[in-house]
Amino acid sequence: GEDVEQSLFLSVREGDSSVINCTYTDSSSTYLYWYKQEPGAGLQLLTYIFSNMDMKQDQRLTVLLNKKDKHLSLRIADTQTGDSAIYFCAESTHRLWNSGNTPLVFGKGTRLSVIA
Amino acid sequence: SAVISQKPSRDICQRGTSLTIQCQVDSQVTMMFWYRQQPGQSLTLIATANQGSEATYESGFVIDKFPISRPNLTFSTLTVSNMSPEDSSIYLCSVERDRDNEQFFGPGTRLTVL
Repeated sequence: GEDVEQSLFLSVREGDSSVINCTYTDSSSTYLYWYKQEPGAGLQLLTYIFSNMDMKQDQRLTVLLNKKDKHLSLRIADTQTGDSAIYFCAESTHRLWNSGNTPLVFGKGTRLSVIA
Repeated sequence: SAVISQKPSRDICQRGTSLTIQCQVDSQVTMMFWYRQQPGQSLTLIATANQGSEATYESGFVIDKFPISRPNLTFSTLTVSNMSPEDSSIYLCSVERDRDNEQFFGPGTRLTVL
């Protein structure tokens, strides 16, 4: 089955850039997502990228996709203490025989700690 | 984004009892999903609930343990039946908005079984 892998921990200093990496195995993945989960809270959709794109930028967030290597990264510029959270990478595949996408397959999450 | 609410937000239950979790969405959606997040773990899909059809369960999850209702396009319930401490988790409702590919999550229901 599909598998999504992430490193479990990342620690950065406030003001530096954070790069969170993710690899996936399903070559038919259509959409790749980044979610943020703060302590005691639900999941917040940060951004997603379609598999025919290499890069997507949204304010401080930059997503890079290397489809050949099945590698996804999330770069957070000027990391702030409020960025401390768990970041989940997830993938889904567009169904050709029905509307919508397959349910998300999640990685285990990367805990980002920002040091003031 | 879609606005999703869940009730209850948390509960502490006794072993052997059942709890029904409600999920309400502010717009009509075809596809709704129920996930479980065990302590310190990632999310695992329990089932897909489409309106007008039986829920589709993932491997390891069965209807007798996790019955689901989907009476209309804005509402769903998940029941955790005959609970044991191993069912202590956060249960999250998710929807895929029909007009794009974004999937949104409710705030979750934190369940503790004693």
